Amino acid sequence: AQTVTQSQPEMSVQEAETVTLSCTYDTSESDYYLFWYKQPPSRQMILVIRQEAYKQQNATENRFSVNFQKAAKSFSLKISDSQLGDAAMYFCAYRTPDFNSGNTPLVFGKGTRLSVIA
Amino acid sequence: GAVVSQHPSRVICKSGTSVKIECRSLDFQATTMFWYRQFPKQSLMLMATSNEGSKATYEQGVEKDKFLINHASLTLSTLTVTSAHPEDSSFYICSARKRQETGGYLQPQHFGDGTRLSIL
Repeated sequence: AQTVTQSQPEMSVQEAETVTLSCTYDTSESDYYLFWYKQPPSRQMILVIRQEAYKQQNATENRFSVNFQKAAKSFSLKISDSQLGDAAMYFCAYRTPDFNSGNTPLVFGKGTRLSVIA
Repeated sequence: GAVVSQHPSRVICKSGTSVKIECRSLDFQATTMFWYRQFPKQSLMLMATSNEGSKATYEQGVEKDKFLINHASLTLSTLTVTSAHPEDSSFYICSARKRQETGGYLQPQHFGDGTRLSIL
């Protein structure tokens, strides 16, 4: 079974600084997708960034970027120029491709609570 | 706007009551929906995969007679917590996405806003 591990239960960062959240995963598949989700206190799930395993280039979305190391099965999230609104729970997630009807579920890590200090 | 609507957002009821939570996909047909449970300060744990027109697939340790899932149409799945007890109190989230086309655009996963269930 696939597993996703986030080894940092809590992290903090000064406003405007950079922080990196770690994620490792275990899979025997060669084709899969990886995601980072943000869950603010409202508990909505917000997609931050995604990465297809077959793409070597690291995904980037504005201040958010990933360091995807396929051989090491590592998928870290870097947040640059941290803002107060970045404070939230961050979940790393994994899934395999759909084969039928969009029926492969997301598997989540335990999450990292990020605090941003003004 | 929201593409997955979940209702109700908050339920408080007495022990022994059955509670139904609805999850609707608003602008796409979801042949599969997912139900997650989240305890405070914990991750989302997959409870079951809901398949339109067929029985749900439950994860190990999830009681199918306690958590009844019905997916009667391509846009609606329901989760009924039967004879709820305080230990069933939790945050329940549904999710769905369009089928991923081979080599095509990676379909986003859409989440409902969740249901906070409190059993007294």
